[in-house]
Amino acid sequence: SQTIHQWPATLVQPVGSPLSLECTVEGTSNPNLYWYRQAAGRGLQLLFYSVGIGQISSEVPQNLSASRPQDRQFILSSKKLLLSDSGFYLCAWSRGLAGGPGEQYFGPGTRLTVT
Amino acid sequence: QKEVEQNSGPLSVPEGAIASLNCTYSDRGSQSFFWYRQYSGKSPELIMFIYSNGDKEDGRFTAQLNKASQYVSLLIRDSQPSDSATYLCAVAGTSGTYKYIFGTGTRLKVLA
Repeated sequence: SQTIHQWPATLVQPVGSPLSLECTVEGTSNPNLYWYRQAAGRGLQLLFYSVGIGQISSEVPQNLSASRPQDRQFILSSKKLLLSDSGFYLCAWSRGLAGGPGEQYFGPGTRLTVT
Repeated sequence: QKEVEQNSGPLSVPEGAIASLNCTYSDRGSQSFFWYRQYSGKSPELIMFIYSNGDKEDGRFTAQLNKASQYVSLLIRDSQPSDSATYLCAVAGTSGTYKYIFGTGTRLKVLA
């Protein structure tokens, strides 16, 4: 069966500090990978998605970036955090089907507070 | 214009009743449709997915898709207090991509 891991679970960082969140998937190969952010009481905002190594699509500009150094590893980074970066960061994976996107599964999430 | 719309609720139903959650989407090219349950402070959990018009049943859950009306619904039969959560509707395959677009969710309260 497939498992998705995210770490850390919680993080408190000062404004202007760097960020690195990691996500790994086990039990599947060549997954589609996603990063979302959910602000308190809000919906899910798609930040980045990747359909393969080295292929990153960005939905959000500003100070976040993503990388996929290995097939089942997805990293979200920032060089300088802003207060507005606080939120619940969720990594997800899906398997592409012949007819289009298949089921998408979420990791446990990282709760980031920027102070 | 929002791409996926849901009533934010809260939707309150008594224990044992049927809860009906609705979702509309704007892109006629959407291919895949999902319902997630999210408890407070937790990540979303996939509970139903549907790819073709009609009904799909799984236990107490039934998903209904009407592509002509661009409408997806989720029925929860015999609602339990443990079903109290926010339910997110998601649509994927818009514009031929692998993007998933989420609604803002409907908060369901099942009253014991």
